[in-house]
Amino acid sequence: EADIYQTPRYLVIGTGKKITLECSQTMGHDKMYWYQQDPGMELHLIHYSYGVNSTEKGDLSSESTVSRIRTEHFPLTLESARPSHTSQYLCASSASDRGPAETQYFGPGTRLLVL
Amino acid sequence: KNQVEQSPQSLIILEGKNCTLQCNYTVSPFSNLRWYKQDTGRGPVSLTIMTFSENTKSNGRYTATLDADTKQSSLHITASQLSDSASYICVVSDRGSTLGRLYFGRGTQLTVWP
Repeated sequence: EADIYQTPRYLVIGTGKKITLECSQTMGHDKMYWYQQDPGMELHLIHYSYGVNSTEKGDLSSESTVSRIRTEHFPLTLESARPSHTSQYLCASSASDRGPAETQYFGPGTRLLVL
Repeated sequence: KNQVEQSPQSLIILEGKNCTLQCNYTVSPFSNLRWYKQDTGRGPVSLTIMTFSENTKSNGRYTATLDADTKQSSLHITASQLSDSASYICVVSDRGSTLGRLYFGRGTQLTVWP
């Protein structure tokens, strides 16, 4: 069982609200990721971080922002939620010193519903 | 275009039976291929990882194969159990960047009936 946690697990919120999805890991991993996944579809990378104070946008354009002030913490923020943001958000982490065996460990996900 | 295609999209089998899931990819340059299991409402969990030189890798009742020449992989599940009901996702990593970009398939939804 991976030591990576996400809160909240479920969130129902109205349009226009600001939300922050929390992600933390206790494995000391330097890399962290945020993915978006819709039912029956593949995971899409929306943000990633190589380490503290390093953040990059992923392949899927997202209106969300992220920060990496501490190694173990990688929160995702939506300034103004819209119904199009309804999805499942998965956080993951990995250690870059594993070479080809580097494996991403995923949190349980946050299911977001924007009304 | 780098893609990962999985088949079948969904599969229903009876408990105790075997099954095989397929993955075809066009990712290049290839680094490694992983199979993940994702239970409903949970994040994916890694089952196996294979590099270019590996043809087969087992993890309990799960056996993955890789043919790097034809760019195909399969995941064989032996003596299925109810707890095997999940989505199985094929993930291919390239060597084109320091990030080790991951390409995800859409998964095969397996349902095991008693």
